[in-house]
Amino acid sequence: DARVTQTPRHKVTEMGQEVTMRCQPILGHNTVFWYRQTMMQGLELLAYFRNRAPLDDSGMPKDRFSAEMPDATLATLKIQPSEPRDSAVYFCASGRSEGGQYFGPGTRLTVT
Amino acid sequence: QQPVQSPQAVILREGEDAVINCSSSKALYSVHWYRQKHGEAPVFLMILLKGGEQKGHEKISASFNEKKQQSSLYLTASQLSYSGTYFCGTETGGTDKLIFGTGTRLQVFP
Repeated sequence: DARVTQTPRHKVTEMGQEVTMRCQPILGHNTVFWYRQTMMQGLELLAYFRNRAPLDDSGMPKDRFSAEMPDATLATLKIQPSEPRDSAVYFCASGRSEGGQYFGPGTRLTVT
Repeated sequence: QQPVQSPQAVILREGEDAVINCSSSKALYSVHWYRQKHGEAPVFLMILLKGGEQKGHEKISASFNEKKQQSSLYLTASQLSYSGTYFCGTETGGTDKLIFGTGTRLQVFP
């Protein structure tokens, strides 16, 4: 049963620290998405890749967030420096073009 | 231009039916539907592509009216397992980029 995996599942860090979240998409999926979910803003797209090429990162605060896909089995989302307002659940999802998106379990980030 | 979902919340008894609507101000290429249970990730239910089709998945089906820029999700003979928050995700232009609605919270009681 193929699944998207994400690490870490939970992260508590202090303001100003760097946070790195990792995602392994489902093998064979060519599109990878990063989302952030909060009670106030709902589910927001931060960035996405197709065939490892970044297509859109307009949802990310570019001064502190960066997303990369160093190879087909790994996508990363970094926040440096982190701020309390970054506290949220971050989801990675993968899929094929014109298909559904399959979400990982999420990383619950708390910045104090 | 977040799609608008209605109603915001639904309470049902097992066996009852429900309809959740999703409306966009923009022309749509596709509409996705997802269900998310508390503390879990969203789970893909179905995708409806441009063409005004209807799809079914067990007792859950959906329609897409391209002209009205709307989609509806139909849950028939609801089960306890249907409880959760339902999100529509709308795509314009065939980019795979989704904008999610604010969600409809569905609770099914015995």
